[in-house]
Parts: sequence; structure tokens; C-alpha cells
Amino acid sequence: NAGVTQTPKFQVLKTGQSMTLQCAQDMNHNSMYWYRQDPGMGLRLIYYSASEGTTDKGEVPNGYNVSRLNKREFSLRLESAAPSQTSVYFCASSEFRTADQPQHFGDGTRLSIL
Amino acid sequence: QKEVEQDPGPLSVPEGAIVSLNCTYSNSAFQYFMWYRQYSRKGPELLMYTYSSGNKEDGRFTAQVDKSSKYISLFIRDSQPSDSATYLCAMIEYGNKLVFGAGTILRVKS
Repeated sequence: NAGVTQTPKFQVLKTGQSMTLQCAQDMNHNSMYWYRQDPGMGLRLIYYSASEGTTDKGEVPNGYNVSRLNKREFSLRLESAAPSQTSVYFCASSEFRTADQPQHFGDGTRLSIL
Repeated sequence: QKEVEQDPGPLSVPEGAIVSLNCTYSNSAFQYFMWYRQYSRKGPELLMYTYSSGNKEDGRFTAQVDKSSKYISLFIRDSQPSDSATYLCAMIEYGNKLVFGAGTILRVKS
């Protein structure tokens, strides 16, 4: 009963390197999300995918790209990593992107950029 | 000004105490209110979910919403060391994004 699975769990990058964070859910949810969590800032939405084949920007999309590969998988790509992107990244999913559908989270990817 | 304000803590209480965790918000259009619990190095897990004003109880947990004051609370009765975690409030305006508070660190001492 995995729920939302994120890989890798930890990663250290050098400034300018690229990286793709992977996320997969096994709950047959339609909507998926990428957040970043920074101390004192709470969780902030980077991108979301309301349904397979669609993606939209969230609150802090600059420096990131996403791909909804299929209904199960939603990846986040950093094309040229910067120290300001050091954070914990969470993927989440929900049955639909409506207010009455709670989001279920993975355990995060801890990313450090030197 | 942040849309959702939450005291970061840490809040330290003895085992068995009643805990009160609170959030204030500025957007009167928020309609759904949630509390997530986040253990160290884990993702947030949904604890309580309420719609509009009023109380909702689930075991030792009670969520309270006061829309007139733009204030929500989570009460934990008979707190246990296993309740030690960060508690995040979250709220949503219908059809829009989920907005999170920064979280309150709770430590329950045995």
C-alpha cells in the first residue's frame, strides 16, 4: 500500500547541474502536485496537473519544468540548479483538483545545491 | 502579510495535557479547512478536514473553525509522546489552491 512514492530521497547537486525528481502514485488519482517546503515558509505549490495531459503553474514555478508522463507519474525537472532551489520537495495527489478532495503526500526528496 | 499565520513554536507539553494549536487567516473566501500532521523526515498526512464553521471530533482530536474571527484550532486531548510532530493548518477557497500555514512544532514529554 505505497500511496505516493518519490525518488530519490536525497540528492546533492552542484550549481548549474540538472536533475529530475520522480513521483508515482498508485491510488488512481487524477490530480498531482509538486510542492517545496522551506523553513518558515510552509508548503508552496510549484506546478500541478489537474488531469492526465494537463499541467499548470503554481505559486513558485520559475526554474522548474514538469511532465505528466501518464496517470500515475508526474516528474519535476530542474534544468540548471541554483542554491535557492535547496529545499525539500513533496509530491502529492488527489482524486480530483477540487476543494473537497484532500491531497495525499509522499515522503519528500531532500535536495541540496552547492 | 501571509494569507495564513501559524505560530512556529515549539510548543512543549507534558504527556496527558490538552494541546491547542491555532491558525489565523485573512481570506474570507476560504471554505475548507484542514490539519496535517508531519513527522520528522516524512510527508504531511491528513489529520482532520472540516467545511465551514463549527466543530469536528475524531477520537482525541477536535477541529474548530470560527469563520467570523478567521480563526481555526486543533485540540488534542490526552496528548501522547507519539503526537510529537509538526502540525500544519491548510485551507482552500473553492476551486483554488491549497494554502498552508508554516507549521507548529509540538513536543509531548513523557
